[in-house]
Amino acid sequence: AQTVTQSQPEMSVQEAETVTLSCTYDTSESDYYLFWYKQPPSRQMILVIRQEAYKQQNATENRFSVNFQKAAKSFSLKISDSQLGDAAMYFCAYRRAFSSGSARQLTFGSGTQLTVLP
Amino acid sequence: GAVVSQHPSWVICKSGTSVKIECRSLDFQATTMFWYRQFPKQSLMLMATSNEGSKATYEQGVEKDKFLINHASLTLSTLTVTSAHPEDSSFYICSARDGGGAKNIQYFGAGTRLSVL
Repeated sequence: AQTVTQSQPEMSVQEAETVTLSCTYDTSESDYYLFWYKQPPSRQMILVIRQEAYKQQNATENRFSVNFQKAAKSFSLKISDSQLGDAAMYFCAYRRAFSSGSARQLTFGSGTQLTVLP
Repeated sequence: GAVVSQHPSWVICKSGTSVKIECRSLDFQATTMFWYRQFPKQSLMLMATSNEGSKATYEQGVEKDKFLINHASLTLSTLTVTSAHPEDSSFYICSARDGGGAKNIQYFGAGTRLSVL
């Protein structure tokens, strides 16, 4: 079974600074997707960034970028120029590719609570 | 991005009553929808996967007779908590997979806070 591990329950960053959130996963699959979701106090889950395992290039979305190390099964999220609105719980998630039914489910990590200090 | 509407956002009910939560994909067809439960400061725990026109697949330990799921159309799935008890109080989140989209992404509803008195 796939597992996703986030070893940092809490992180803090000064406004305008850069922070990196860690995520490791375990899978025997060669093709899969990785995601970072953000859950602010409203509790609405928001997709931050997505990475396809077959792509070597790291995904970027404005101030958000990932460091995807497939061999090490590591998928960290870097937030540059942190803003107060970035404060949220961040979840790393894994999903198998080319699957059907319940196998399409996301497997979530335990989350990292990010605090942005003014 | 695509929008998933979840209703109600908050419901309070008496012990023993049933509560229905709706999840709609507003601008895409969702052949697969997922129902999660989240306890405070914890991760999302998958309860079941619902596929349009067929029975839901429940995760181990989830009582299918207590948490009834119906996915009658490509845009609507419902979760009914039957004979609710205080231990069912939790935050329930649905998500819908945009299978037709190239990016194959799951979009989430805003969640429903259930409080059982």
